[in-house]
Amino acid sequence: NAGVTQTPKFQVLKTGQSMTLQCAQDMNHNSMYWYRQDPGMGLRLIYYSASEGTTDKGEVPNGYNVSRLNKREFSLRLESAAPSQTSVYFCASSVTLGNTIYFGEGSWLTVV
Amino acid sequence: AQSVTQLDSQVPVFEEAPVELRCNYSSSVSVYLFWYVQYPNQGLQLLLKYLSGSTLVKGINGFEAEFNKSQTSFHLRKPSVHISDTAEYFCAVSLESGGSNYKLTFGKGTLLTVNP
Repeated sequence: NAGVTQTPKFQVLKTGQSMTLQCAQDMNHNSMYWYRQDPGMGLRLIYYSASEGTTDKGEVPNGYNVSRLNKREFSLRLESAAPSQTSVYFCASSVTLGNTIYFGEGSWLTVV
Repeated sequence: AQSVTQLDSQVPVFEEAPVELRCNYSSSVSVYLFWYVQYPNQGLQLLLKYLSGSTLVKGINGFEAEFNKSQTSFHLRKPSVHISDTAEYFCAVSLESGGSNYKLTFGKGTLLTVNP
């Protein structure tokens, strides 16, 4: 049982480059999330998807876009990466909003 | 909007000592409360949660937390820690009503270091 799987695990980007973080869950969950984690800041919600076909902004959506491709997959795109987007990104899912959230292993992104 | 404050950014303790990690929250409505643990270079794992009912919640690895509504606190405790408990611990809160206003808000984390 893989749970929440996100790729890539590590990535180095140059300023201005674009990239997409992929996430898939095999728990048949309706809701999915993208968080970023920065030292001393805890986790901050970037975007979430309550159910297939819907997406909503979280606390820090600027500079990001998301796609809920189907019930299993929820991708995060950086159109023009900036050094301020250097962070660890976590994808997560839950049965529905408000239920226990299960996290992926994280993606370490460095923008130089 | 809800908020979470973890009162200690770092807590060093010796092995087999008791530990308490403090968490206070702010909300004008009823909430759900969670503690997550993050081991180095890993994602977050749920330790325990309070949704309703008994205010004393038991979780995995011998941890427990007590919901205190009057003090708006949800402190995490363990009577005897092990080296393997060294990790970062996050308190989180969501509104009980959920729905379109849903957001799980995390505290900034407490790094628990257990020394031999």
